[in-house]
Amino acid sequence: GAGVSQSPRYKVAKRGQDVALRCDPISGHVSLFWYQQALGQGPEFLTYFQNEAQLDKSGLPSDRFFAERPEGSVSTLKIQRTQQEDSAVYLCASSLTGGTSYNEQFFGPGTRLTVL
Amino acid sequence: GNSVTQMEGPVTLSEEAFLTINCTYTATGYPSLFWYVQYPGEGLQLLLKATKADDKGSNKGFEATYRKETTSFHLEKGSVQVSDSAVYFCALSSGGNNRLAFGKGNQVVVIP
Repeated sequence: GAGVSQSPRYKVAKRGQDVALRCDPISGHVSLFWYQQALGQGPEFLTYFQNEAQLDKSGLPSDRFFAERPEGSVSTLKIQRTQQEDSAVYLCASSLTGGTSYNEQFFGPGTRLTVL
Repeated sequence: GNSVTQMEGPVTLSEEAFLTINCTYTATGYPSLFWYVQYPGEGLQLLLKATKADDKGSNKGFEATYRKETTSFHLEKGSVQVSDSAVYFCALSSGGNNRLAFGKGNQVVVIP
C-alpha cells in the first residue's frame, strides 16, 4: 500500500469492553511503533516492534494493554476492560529499518477511541 | 529521560508574516531532532529533521537548526501561507530503538 493504514478509524466502546486496533505498516518496514495521543497533547510512546519481536513495551500504561505483531507485518493493539482514561487517538508508525535514531517514521491516520 | 518542551498556546498570524515556534529538549546521548506537522484531517508527516549539532533541516520554506549549546531546535518560516495552518510537533529520538518523544504541539492558524 501507499502508506500506513489503521482500522477502525473510529471506535466507541462501553467501559469494560475489550477493543482491538489494527495497523498495516508500509510493506517491508522492519520497525513498528504504537503511540497514544490524548486530546491537545503530543503522542506518547507505547511499544515498539522490530519484525515480530516486541523490543520495548515500557510505555504501555497498564497490563490491560497488549500488542502483537506475530508475522512481522500487521500489528494489533488490544485493550482489555477499557476505562474512560483510555479515550485517545492511537497512532501507528513504521520505519524501514531499526536500531538507529534518525530513521523517518511514517504515521497512520490513527484510531480515535472513545470509551463511554 | 528524554523530553521536549514547546512554547505554550496556539499561534495566530497573518499571511506572509514570520513564524517562529520554540522547541527545547532534554536528552541522554546524542539525539536526532524532528519537526512533524499534522494538517487538518491528516496524519502526522515529517516536516524536517537534523541528526547532529549545527545541522540545519529545511523543507517547504521551513528551517530549524540543531543547537546543542542551548538544547534547542526552533522552527522558522519567513513568510507563511494559509496552507501552513496545522499543528506542529517537535520531537526527538535517542538510543537504539528510535522511539520518538514529542512536545505538546502548537496549533498555527494563518489568516488571509
